[in-house]
Amino acid sequence: QKEVEQNSGPLSVPEGAIASLNCTYSDRGSQSFFWYRQYSGKSPELIMFIYSNGDKEDGRFTAQLNKASQYVSLLIRDSQPSDSATYLCSFPGEGGSEKLVFGKGTKLTVNP
Amino acid sequence: DAGVTQSPTHLIKTRGQQVTLRCSPKSGHDTVSWYQQALGQGPQFIFQYYEEEERQRGNFPDRFSGHQFPNYSSELNVNALLLGDSALYLCASSFWGAYNEQFFGPGTRLTVL
Repeated sequence: QKEVEQNSGPLSVPEGAIASLNCTYSDRGSQSFFWYRQYSGKSPELIMFIYSNGDKEDGRFTAQLNKASQYVSLLIRDSQPSDSATYLCSFPGEGGSEKLVFGKGTKLTVNP
Repeated sequence: DAGVTQSPTHLIKTRGQQVTLRCSPKSGHDTVSWYQQALGQGPQFIFQYYEEEERQRGNFPDRFSGHQFPNYSSELNVNALLLGDSALYLCASSFWGAYNEQFFGPGTRLTVL
């Protein structure tokens, strides 16, 4: 069964710092990975997806994928208090496509 | 353009009862997936509907069933509720095969007493 592991945190960083969120996955054949942000009491919101080894940047967010190490990370530069949320790592499970497997999430707090 | 909508927002039931949750996908989407999210956990895949058929299913008992209507909306039914069924139930919609564009609804918070 495909699994994904995340450091549940909580992770606390000061405003303006870089927040680093990490995820490891069990299936070496996985090709795509997704980062969702979930504010307390709200539903997950897709913020990044990455398919290829290396980095993918979108504004203050950078996703990093290392397939050899089965490791994916999310960096948030210039962290803001509004970034305080739980970040969920996910990838397609058995059968691929829409059946996403999620980690437990890492709770991030950005302190003003 | 309305996003994914779910109803009701909150629901309180007692053990043994049955519940029906509803989801309307984002305009244009044809695929609906349901997830269960227990407190402090990530979402867990329940099942997915496309063309009014269940296409994939996660590790959930037969007490969990669903349906998709011709207008792509969907229902999740849970029979013989257990305390452990208390969770946030999330509906996600997408185009068939486009998992990178899966949009979640606001969820239904189910409490089983």
